[in-house]
Order: sequence, then structure tokens, then C-alpha cells
Amino acid sequence: EVQLVQSGAEMRKPGESLKISCKASGYSFSNYWIAWVRQMPGKGLEWMGIIYPGDSDATYSPSFQGQVSISADKSMNTAYLRWSSLKATDAAMYFCARSSPAAQADYWGQGTLVSVSS
Amino acid sequence: QSVLTQPPSVSGAPGQRVTISCTGSISNIGAGYEVHWYQQFPGTAPKLLIFANTNRPSGVPDRFSGSKSGTSASLAITGLQAEDEADYYCQSYDTGLSGSVFGGGTKLTVL
Repeated sequence: EVQLVQSGAEMRKPGESLKISCKASGYSFSNYWIAWVRQMPGKGLEWMGIIYPGDSDATYSPSFQGQVSISADKSMNTAYLRWSSLKATDAAMYFCARSSPAAQADYWGQGTLVSVSS
Repeated sequence: QSVLTQPPSVSGAPGQRVTISCTGSISNIGAGYEVHWYQQFPGTAPKLLIFANTNRPSGVPDRFSGSKSGTSASLAITGLQAEDEADYYCQSYDTGLSGSVFGGGTKLTVL
């Protein structure tokens, strides 16, 4: 059974760093892209970027380029989303999903809620 | 403002048919890229409903169907049920952005 299990909710202050994770199981992690999707409170889905764990090739939406970093560890079957300096506007629910650049996202993680407040 | 445009809301009575449109441009849907649809209930992750314009994943009722023409796509739901009340999103690939994009989402209300 394909599963994506995300790390738990996080609370941080503006300016702090954060790394959230998405652990995959039930399929060959290296061979499928993982996408990250943001959903701000009461708003729609935003595609942030995508990574191919096989070679760590990552592509970002222009809106998120330089704002976040996407990485993957094949040995841990885990993808990551990292901020070096959080802003209040980064407060949102973040989802990982198995996908590919132009294809559907067929399996989704449960989401990680990120709160940012001073 | 999303690259793919959806109506903010649609509604229908139980048993009726509703459609949700997804309007794009020549840099995404009109360029031949496939359209996918997702259903999301409050507080939960999105669920894949339709992929590659017209295909249903296993387990999705045939009351849900997708179509695509030109620079637009549509999701149709027939025999509307109370449990269909949710948010629906379309997704496609955009060459200008070199990545996937979502529509703004449509809230379906079952009257």
C-alpha cells in the first residue's frame, strides 16, 4: 500500500528555520517525483515545486523559487521542505504528493500545519 | 489570481447534475497538457478524482466524469449526493511557469 506520512504540526517565530518531512512507503521512492503543495488558511491549493528522488532534480514554481528548498534522502525514503527564515505569511498547511511534472498527484500525505507567530 | 480559472461556487439539489469549468490558455490546457481533478473535504488532503482529462481512479464512482476541449476542461457530477459537498480543484501543466498549476477551486454546495 502506497503511503506518504508527513511530520507533525510545527510552531515557529518569524526568522526561524524549519524543515518538514514526507516519508514514503509501499513503492520505489527513487522512481517517482514528489511534489509539495501549499494551502493557506481558507484558500486554494498552490503547487510549490517537485523533486525526483532518484537524482534530486528539483523544480520550483516561480512564486516559491528562492523562498523554500526541496530535498530528498533516498536512503530514508523521505522528501523534505525547508525554510531558512520563516515569515508570518508562510503559515499554512503543506501537503506532499506523489506526482510528476505534468501528471496527476495520485497519493497525498496527510498534511503538515505550519504556524508562524511572534 | 490562478492561471486556471474556476467558478468560486456551484450548487445543485440532490439528484441533479452540476458541472465545474476550468478555463486555461494556450500555455497550459490549450497546449495539450492533461487536466486532473481533485476533491477536498475540510481539514483533509485532496483526493484524485479524475486524471488525464477523462479517467477515473479505481473506487471513484462513475457519477464523476471529466472532459476537455480547447483551452478548457469540465468536471461533471451526476446524481448529486449530499456527500459530494466539497471543494474541487483542477490541475494542469503550464509551459510559461514550467510547472503544474491548480485552479482556484470551486465550492460545491448540495442544497
